[in-house]
Amino acid sequence: DVKVTQSSRYLVKRTGEKVFLECVQDMDHENMFWYRQDPGLGLRLIYFSYDVKMKEKGDIPEGYSVSREKKERFSLILESASTNQTSMYLCASSFPPLGLTDTQYFGPGTRLTVL
Amino acid sequence: QKEVEQNSGPLSVPEGAIASLNCTYSDRGSQSFFWYRQYSGKSPELIMSIYSNGDKEDGRFTAQLNKASQYVSLLIRDSQPSDSATYLCAVDYGNKLVFGAGTILRVKS
Repeated sequence: DVKVTQSSRYLVKRTGEKVFLECVQDMDHENMFWYRQDPGLGLRLIYFSYDVKMKEKGDIPEGYSVSREKKERFSLILESASTNQTSMYLCASSFPPLGLTDTQYFGPGTRLTVL
Repeated sequence: QKEVEQNSGPLSVPEGAIASLNCTYSDRGSQSFFWYRQYSGKSPELIMSIYSNGDKEDGRFTAQLNKASQYVSLLIRDSQPSDSATYLCAVDYGNKLVFGAGTILRVKS
């Protein structure tokens, strides 16, 4: 079975702090994704990566950056956390090379609260 | 704007009934369609994928796709209280998925 893990289930940070969210997958998937999920808005894509050191902006990249130094690990960085970044953050991974779409497997999520 | 629309619900059905969940999408070029189930406080899990027009059945679940009408649906037969969850429709737009906001399903015993 595919396993996607995220470093924290719950996180509380202060406004202005730098926040790191880590995601690891164990199935040698090419693609990794970061979403945020807010009530009534569904899942919105922040960034995705289709290869090591490659990244693409999603629909709402402002205020976020990402890092993919190893194939199995994809990090989301909030450079200066703000209260409007309070949300559930979900990491996902999928196998096919760029240009194809297939099932995405999700991690358990990190509920981030910024005070 | 690439959109996926779902009725937010809640959709309430009695135990044993058929639940029908609907989704429309804006891009005629989309080739892959997915239904995810998400329990409260949990992450989405895949129920069905469908790529061709028509019906695809898996146990109590049937996905239906009509590309001409840009419409995909999920039928749940013999609904159980354990089916109560939010159902997310996802549509491929090139190399990424776009998700609908989800439909809340409540199955009453």
